Amino acid sequence: QVQLQESGPGLVKPSETLSLICSVSGYSISSGYYWGWVRQPPGKGLEWIASTSQNAGTYYKTSLESRVTISLDTSKNQFSLRLSSVTAADTAIYYCARDRIVGATAVFDLWGQGRLVTISS
Amino acid sequence: EVVLAQSPATLSLSPGERATLSCRASQSISSYLAWYQQKPGQAPRLLIYDASKRATGIPARFSGSGSGTDFTLTISSLEPEDFAVYYCQQRTNWLITFGQGTRLEIK
Repeated sequence: QVQLQESGPGLVKPSETLSLICSVSGYSISSGYYWGWVRQPPGKGLEWIASTSQNAGTYYKTSLESRVTISLDTSKNQFSLRLSSVTAADTAIYYCARDRIVGATAVFDLWGQGRLVTISS
Repeated sequence: EVVLAQSPATLSLSPGERATLSCRASQSISSYLAWYQQKPGQAPRLLIYDASKRATGIPARFSGSGSGTDFTLTISSLEPEDFAVYYCQQRTNWLITFGQGTRLEIK
């Protein structure tokens, strides 16, 4: 079955760049669908960050777009997130997820387990 | 950006009771709405798409309804494992938003 797994540093200093990788198994990310990132500050709700696709481009949450880079590495079947100039407000659990149309609705139908990233000096 | 407002913030019920959760959109989103369940320490799980269709493997006690701006998730008879946080989600104009969540707790 398709599985997603986040990896990357759990602690990042303020003003630096947060970098995470999502490794996908059981499905080739170059075959289709969007692949996205969603975050959740501790004890709070879900916030979509961005999604990308091999053939259909990338789309971003407007307020984060200037700080976000999301990319695919099809040779490793991974996709990544980079968030620059981080502050304590970026402390969150970061989830990678498959972003696809089910029926007629864009949904996240598969999720990684999440990676807690803390922004602190 | 479409804002999704969920109510109530917290719902306290007992096993066996019926749960009704609301999600209101700031503009019409037709039926392009999904619902998720999240348990502590776990990733969200897709429950409902197209406002009313159950995702694969979701029990029949979960049902969704609504269109336009007003949507409802109903759990007909609560099981102990249903106590969790529920989120609605939509995508319009290539912007995805989630509601702030409804916490369903045991009374």
